Amino acid sequence: DIQMTQSPSSLSASVGDRVTITCRASQSISSYLNWYQQKPGKAPKLLIYAASSLQSGVPSRFSGSGSGTDFTLTISSLQPEDFATYYCQQSYTTFTFGPGTKVDIK
Amino acid sequence: EVQLVESGGGLVQPGGSLRLSCAASGFTVSSNYMSWVRQAPGKGLEWVSVIYSGGSTYYADSVKGRFTISRDNSKNTLYLQMNSLRAEDTAVYYCARDNNYYGHGYFDYWGQGTLVTVSS
Repeated sequence: DIQMTQSPSSLSASVGDRVTITCRASQSISSYLNWYQQKPGKAPKLLIYAASSLQSGVPSRFSGSGSGTDFTLTISSLQPEDFATYYCQQSYTTFTFGPGTKVDIK
Repeated sequence: EVQLVESGGGLVQPGGSLRLSCAASGFTVSSNYMSWVRQAPGKGLEWVSVIYSGGSTYYADSVKGRFTISRDNSKNTLYLQMNSLRAEDTAVYYCARDNNYYGHGYFDYWGQGTLVTVSS
């Protein structure tokens, strides 16, 4: 089975900060990597698919990069509505989610 | 407008059974891949099961042999039959449409979730 890790597990940031979250797969998954945002009590929301493709309607301050085993999600300028938990997900073989990264207010 | 509405959650005793439903609108369930994802209280997301448009099904090891995913094309509804339930199955269960971009699967629409609590 493919295992996913994320770092950091949590971070504190201010509005306007550039935020980077890292996701690593236990084996190469090419670009079969998605990113989701989840707010408390809500369903996850797709942000990025296929490692770097921005889902329709998602602000352009979100971007994804990487291939193989190492991936990043970047928020170029953190907005108040971006405080949430972020999950990566591999879709190379069925699906596995990372443990999540909680972004809260500094 | 695409919409997914789960139902069927509740309190069940260990060893018991429950069937979750996910009613879809705005698209055809049988023409899409559909998944169930769960989230234990205060924990992360765990993929549970997928059914492909062709009918093939796959399960996480944690539920294999106990859960069954299915669909009713006439009702445009996805199901998850859960048997031999354990305390560790307690979670919010989400259904999600598994879109596919040149083989890259991703969940673009999610339901609101239904809570399953396994406890005596």
